Amino acid sequence: AQSVTQPDIHITVSEGASLELRCNYSYGATPYLFWYVQSPGQGLQLLLKYFSGDTLVQGIKGFEAEFKRSQSSFNLRKPSVHWSDAAEYFCAVGLMEYGNKLVFGAGTILRVKS
Amino acid sequence: DAGVTQSPTHLIKTRGQHVTLRCSPISGHKSVSWYQQVLGQGPQFIFQYYEKEERGRGNFPDRFSARQFPNYSSELNVNALLLGDSALYLCASSSAANEKLFFGSGTQLSVL
Repeated sequence: AQSVTQPDIHITVSEGASLELRCNYSYGATPYLFWYVQSPGQGLQLLLKYFSGDTLVQGIKGFEAEFKRSQSSFNLRKPSVHWSDAAEYFCAVGLMEYGNKLVFGAGTILRVKS
Repeated sequence: DAGVTQSPTHLIKTRGQHVTLRCSPISGHKSVSWYQQVLGQGPQFIFQYYEKEERGRGNFPDRFSARQFPNYSSELNVNALLLGDSALYLCASSSAANEKLFFGSGTQLSVL
């Protein structure tokens, strides 16, 4: 069965420090992969997506992610974190043969300390 | 242009009651999906509708049902509410059945 694992429930980084959020997926076919961000009481905003091609994808707000098929990973990175990045981040795999059903990980809560 | 709008934003019900949640997609979007997000977990797929037809259903009991109207808006209905139905219910729309999703801010349902 398809699944997404985000091993870190909480991560705390200092403002200006680099960030890497981990995501591993289990999926039999070529995956469509996504990262979403959710602020408290809000819906989900798409940061970036991978469908095919270049394995390093750029997203909004200075985020990037790298798809590594051999490791079944799609880690999210940002070189310098801002206080406004504090939120919950979700990795998801898209089951496009079933429309656009997404299977989400449990999320990683990012705290930014000044 | 307006994004995905959901109503109501908050709702309190008691066990055994019925609830209807509403979603208006982005103008021009023909697909609507529903997700349930329990506190501390990622969203879980409930339904997808495209052109008023059900395209996918998640692992939810028959108490959950949905429909899509000719204007592409959608309703999610939950009967015989249980405490465990307390969650944030998210609606998402897309221009086609397999295009990227745009999420609304959700309806927070509390079942007492």
